[in-house]
Amino acid sequence: GENVEQHPSTLSVQEGDSAVIKCTYSDSASNYFPWYKQELGKGPQLIIDIRSNVGEKKDQRIAVTLNKTAKHFSLHITETQPEDSAVYFCAASTLGAGNKLTFGGGTRVLVKP
Amino acid sequence: KAGVTQTPRYLIKTRGQQVTLSCSPISGHRSVSWYQQTPGQGLQFLFEYFSETQRNKGNFPGRFSGRQFSNSRSEMNVSTLELGDSALYLCASSVTDYGYTFGSGTRLTVV
Repeated sequence: GENVEQHPSTLSVQEGDSAVIKCTYSDSASNYFPWYKQELGKGPQLIIDIRSNVGEKKDQRIAVTLNKTAKHFSLHITETQPEDSAVYFCAASTLGAGNKLTFGGGTRVLVKP
Repeated sequence: KAGVTQTPRYLIKTRGQQVTLSCSPISGHRSVSWYQQTPGQGLQFLFEYFSETQRNKGNFPGRFSGRQFSNSRSEMNVSTLELGDSALYLCASSVTDYGYTFGSGTRLTVV
């Protein structure tokens, strides 16, 4: 089955700096890669997603890049703010095969003011 | 619009008991999936239902089961609870097989 590895497990950045989280996946059939943000006491919130026919997607301060050949994708957060502090999860699945997201282990991001 | 609603939010059960958790998806969403979140294993897929049919199942023992009703509401059941079943159980819904919205979860503690 699919296996998703996520690095780093913790990330501390100064407010205003950029944060980068990287994930690798094992199943070449995976073609959908969402990123979720989870705050304390809440469920994961979808912040951005990308399909394998696209190499990069941007939404304001958040961007995701995908390298299908290397089977890795990354989340980039620019101009970080204290409210970006949370746990971030990457995931992978195969569209058309029903929802079966395989999640990475998570990255705890702390933005220091 | 209303999000994914999970009830109850917190639950304490004794080993050997059984438990039923409920999930009301966003209106119009026909796909409902369940995940278990623990500090040790992270987020793990349990099963997914679409139009009352189970489409996918994760690697969990048969003690974990679920169902979906005609109004897309879903329930999951865990029988013969074990201490290791203590976790946050999350439900997610979507119109199709991407863009899932998660609920806030049910925190189950088995004592």
